Amino acid sequence: DAGITQSPRHKVTETGTPVTLRCHQTENHRYMYWYRQDPGHGLRLIHYSYGVKDTDKGEVSDGYSVSRSKTEDFLLTLESATSSQTSVYFCAISEGGLGTIDTQYFGPGTRLTVL
Amino acid sequence: TQLLEQSPQFLSIQEGENLTVYCNSSSVFSSLQWYRQEPGEGPVLLVTVVTGGEVKKLKRLTFQFGDARKDSSLHITAAQTGDTGLYLCAGRRDSSYKLIFGSGTRLLVRP
Repeated sequence: DAGITQSPRHKVTETGTPVTLRCHQTENHRYMYWYRQDPGHGLRLIHYSYGVKDTDKGEVSDGYSVSRSKTEDFLLTLESATSSQTSVYFCAISEGGLGTIDTQYFGPGTRLTVL
Repeated sequence: TQLLEQSPQFLSIQEGENLTVYCNSSSVFSSLQWYRQEPGEGPVLLVTVVTGGEVKKLKRLTFQFGDARKDSSLHITAAQTGDTGLYLCAGRRDSSYKLIFGSGTRLLVRP
């Protein structure tokens, strides 16, 4: 199994509060991704990183920001959580450089509930 | 609108039966992957197909990439209870590292 951990694994918070989710990898992979998973939508990309301090938006980036100050850590921040951000969040990593056959390895997920 | 449509959304079958899950799009993909996800865990890659018409077999699972690289199928022969899970297809367009996921097919294999 790829060495990917996510913290916390579960969180309940209130609308309007800031929330930060952490993804930590021990594989030294260049690419890191944050997805959210909701019923009927599969996995949707929020943000991704292609190196330290290099990030870009995915398809559902509004209301989210990310930071990557070290290769191994990728943080996802909800500046002011809303109920629509209740979801399961997955971090993924990949080596990159393999083009179309690049494999993404997923973490165990964080279940976030915004009341 | 989902770029990759999976069907059926839900499938409940008896152990030993065969089944096919479909992943369709109007767009061309440079590659397509199939993942399986169990409750409380992240998706795990099963296979990557890159060539139009390609067929790959993984024990009882057969994966096919359409000739036009717009669709794919997953066929399971003699399903087992351990096959229960959420099956996700995911495609890449051009040389992008970003994956586009389908909405998934939830499979339940009853003993």
